[in-house]
Amino acid sequence: NAGVTQTPKFQVLKTGQSMTLQCAQDMNHEYMSWYRQDPGMGLRLIHYSVGAGITDQGEVPNGYNVSRSTTEDFPLRLLSAAPSQTSVYFCASSYSQGLGNIQYFGAGTRLSVL
Amino acid sequence: AQKVTQAQTEISVVEKEDVTLDCVYETRDTTYYLFWYKQPPSGELVFLIRRNSFDEQNEISGRYSWNFQKSTSSFNFTITASQVVDSAVYFCALSEAGDSSYKLIFGSGTRLLVRP
Repeated sequence: NAGVTQTPKFQVLKTGQSMTLQCAQDMNHEYMSWYRQDPGMGLRLIHYSVGAGITDQGEVPNGYNVSRSTTEDFPLRLLSAAPSQTSVYFCASSYSQGLGNIQYFGAGTRLSVL
Repeated sequence: AQKVTQAQTEISVVEKEDVTLDCVYETRDTTYYLFWYKQPPSGELVFLIRRNSFDEQNEISGRYSWNFQKSTSSFNFTITASQVVDSAVYFCALSEAGDSSYKLIFGSGTRLLVRP
């Protein structure tokens, strides 16, 4: 019963490096999203997807790219990492429930950019 | 604009005390949804409850209860007879209807420490 799986769990990057945070879900959910969690700020939406081939920006999209080629996967790419992107990243998935969509979160990826 | 405010940054109680976590929200929509999530020290986010704007009934689940009041735009969470395992960060969140129903707006969280 995997749910939402994020890899890696921890990552250290140097400024300017690129990397991809992986997210996969096995619940056949149409909605997927990425949030970042910073101290004292709760979670903020970076990008989201309402289905394969469809993505859109959230509240804090700058510096991040996403794509959704399959229902299961929703990777988050940092093209040129900056210290301001040091954060904990959470991937979530959801399905249309009609009365407010409960989002199911992965365990998170802790990223440090030096 | 939508906003969720959790004014209590950190609360510390002794085990078996009751504790209430406050959540105040802002939205212009008449249809919206409110959530509470728990983040234990291990870091994952655990869904606790969902409430829609048309249902103001309070809810009780074991030691947990939720008080939703549209008149004050509040959705407060009470833990009765707190236990050490309740120590966590608790987030209140809001989503609106339609195309925004899958986008959560989080408060900044309340860190609860339950001391033995």
